[in-house]
Amino acid sequence: NAGVTQTPKFRVLKTGQSMTLLCAQDMNHEYMYWYRQDPGMGLRLIHYSVGEGTTAKGEVPDGYNVSRLKKQNFLLGLESAAPSQTSVYFCASLEAGTPGLRSGQYFGPGTRLLVL
Amino acid sequence: GENVEQHPSTLSVQEGDSAVIKCTYSDSASNYFPWYKQELGKGPQLIIDIRSNVGEKKDQRIAVTLNKTAKHFSLHITETQPEDSAVYFCAASIASNSGYALNFGKGTSLLVTP
Repeated sequence: NAGVTQTPKFRVLKTGQSMTLLCAQDMNHEYMYWYRQDPGMGLRLIHYSVGEGTTAKGEVPDGYNVSRLKKQNFLLGLESAAPSQTSVYFCASLEAGTPGLRSGQYFGPGTRLLVL
Repeated sequence: GENVEQHPSTLSVQEGDSAVIKCTYSDSASNYFPWYKQELGKGPQLIIDIRSNVGEKKDQRIAVTLNKTAKHFSLHITETQPEDSAVYFCAASIASNSGYALNFGKGTSLLVTP
């Protein structure tokens, strides 16, 4: 049981390039989330999904797109990367049901992205 | 939307002392308050959480208290150890059986010195 995995671990992009970050979970969790973490800003929600085939916007969705074609995968895309998207990206998953009775959102190890 | 304020941003304590981190939230509808610990180079890990129908919850050396009227909640770590050194995040959410999204505070960097 690997939990939540993210690929790649680190990536350098030039402004205008595109890329896709992959999040995979093997816990059969219904909900998945993408956050970005910037120094002094905490974690901010980009997009999330409450089930296969569904996505919704979070606090900072501009410049990102997501897809949840399979229950276990949640993809985050940057169509035209900008230096402001330099950040550490975390994916999380959550089992359906009442929070607090289980162990909450599980986070992946993160993807460090540098946009030059 | 929900706004979560966290204080202090940095905290240094001696091994064996207690550490307290405080958070306030703005949305009175929030009903779920988890705390996460993040070690360097890793993703956040849930350490304790509390729901709005409970005033206090304990798990060994860590405890969380919630004051719904004042809209603030706190993390208490007793008998601190060097391995407690990390960044701690509080969060607030309106949780339901349909899932929830977390609104995080900006984090507290805790340093426990031997």
